[in-house]
Amino acid sequence: ETGVTQTPRHLVMGMTNKKSLKCEQHLGHNAMYWYKQSAKKPLELMFVYNFKEQTENNSVPSRFSPECPNSSHLFLHLHTLQPEDSALYLCASSQGGTGGYNSPLHFGNGTRLTVT
Amino acid sequence: GQNIDQPTEMTATEGAIVQINCTYQTSGFNGLFWYQQHAGEAPTFLSYNVLDGLEEKGRFSSFLSRSKGYSYLLLKELQMKDSASYLCAVRVQDSNYQLIWGAGTKLIIKP
Repeated sequence: ETGVTQTPRHLVMGMTNKKSLKCEQHLGHNAMYWYKQSAKKPLELMFVYNFKEQTENNSVPSRFSPECPNSSHLFLHLHTLQPEDSALYLCASSQGGTGGYNSPLHFGNGTRLTVT
Repeated sequence: GQNIDQPTEMTATEGAIVQINCTYQTSGFNGLFWYQQHAGEAPTFLSYNVLDGLEEKGRFSSFLSRSKGYSYLLLKELQMKDSASYLCAVRVQDSNYQLIWGAGTKLIIKP
């Protein structure tokens, strides 16, 4: 059971396509995250939003564009991706602010993205 | 730099005990997390250690030694459903209290 829902579960797109990943959390959290997970590599943090404000952008290429309209929803807009961008993209949420530093992340099941 | 090391893969027998180690070198320390991730599923939170010592939660226990930069996850009475990847993550002392992740340990349980 997860309070974080991601859609779609699987996505195949060409390098010239534009698509969006969606994440929704029902846990009342104020921080939301996008992570990239590649085989046998550590989770790579992409973006962090705290109380709807972007607080982290880990040198992510501009072909990835996040959007956080409210504290429950997070999007990742994709355009002109490369084959090396194929990976599992995980959304997570947690309690926000400095008071949440010991708060665990709650993850969605991810979107398996394949770029052809 | 920031670094977390875990064994890539371990194999154990159903009913036995297994210890998964995690060593870290990070800029500051604000707690260590263990997560379990079954293939094709979300990572799920297992444990959090911020003080030295052992935290026990049913069949799973997690140990921390801050002076040694070392933690382990101990799984007892192994069941087939424990076959999964186990991820170690350290929260560092930057402005955003971000997590540094290990690459995960794939645990295979054999009958």
